[in-house]
Amino acid sequence: KAGVTQTPRYLIKTRGQQVTLSCSPISGHRSVSWYQQTPGQGLQFLFEYFSETQRNKGNFPGRFSGRQFSNSRSEMNVSTLELGDSALYLCASSLQTGTSTDTQYFGPGTRLTVL
Amino acid sequence: AQSVAQPEDQVNVAEGNPLTVKCTYSVSGNPYLFWYVQYPNRGLQFLLKYITGDNLVKGSYGFEAEFNKSQTSFHLKKPSALVSDSALYFCAVILYNFNKFYFGSGTKLNVKP
Repeated sequence: KAGVTQTPRYLIKTRGQQVTLSCSPISGHRSVSWYQQTPGQGLQFLFEYFSETQRNKGNFPGRFSGRQFSNSRSEMNVSTLELGDSALYLCASSLQTGTSTDTQYFGPGTRLTVL
Repeated sequence: AQSVAQPEDQVNVAEGNPLTVKCTYSVSGNPYLFWYVQYPNRGLQFLLKYITGDNLVKGSYGFEAEFNKSQTSFHLKKPSALVSDSALYFCAVILYNFNKFYFGSGTKLNVKP
């Protein structure tokens, strides 16, 4: 089975722009979670989608949004980019058979640099 | 509030020696605990998890972890370290019915030849 894929792998944007990142989960996985990784804040949970619905949300401003499609692929969008949004954005997918004990499998990440 | 602590930013060990990477947690309820490893410019790779049952969990690449409820710890161990084990290690906890990981700050493991 192919793993979690994320596109693009690298992005450079300027302040004020917006960006869309894409995540394709492992085939058969229905849950997709997004995380932001920075040297200062570590790994922080952004949100989680299951069956096209956002089930959980972290403590990020409304500039961060996401969605999930019927094929479980997910996108996240960041509007009005700030320098502090520079980070590695990780996507993870899991089966979600009904409990939270399913292992989350991570993609390679998208490295976003905001200039 | 739920939290995970990795008290050591860095662990140095010689190749062939045993290694331990520490993790403690604070949750209200029964925790499900995970260890992940991250190599440079890569995503996180799953190593092992504790859900229930035997407190000693065996995982990938010869790693194991011991769940200790009284000490609220879930330390990662390996009997004999390899240089290739050098990476960033993350402990994470998730609560039942909450599909949200709380990650520790990460521990950089350096294995010297």
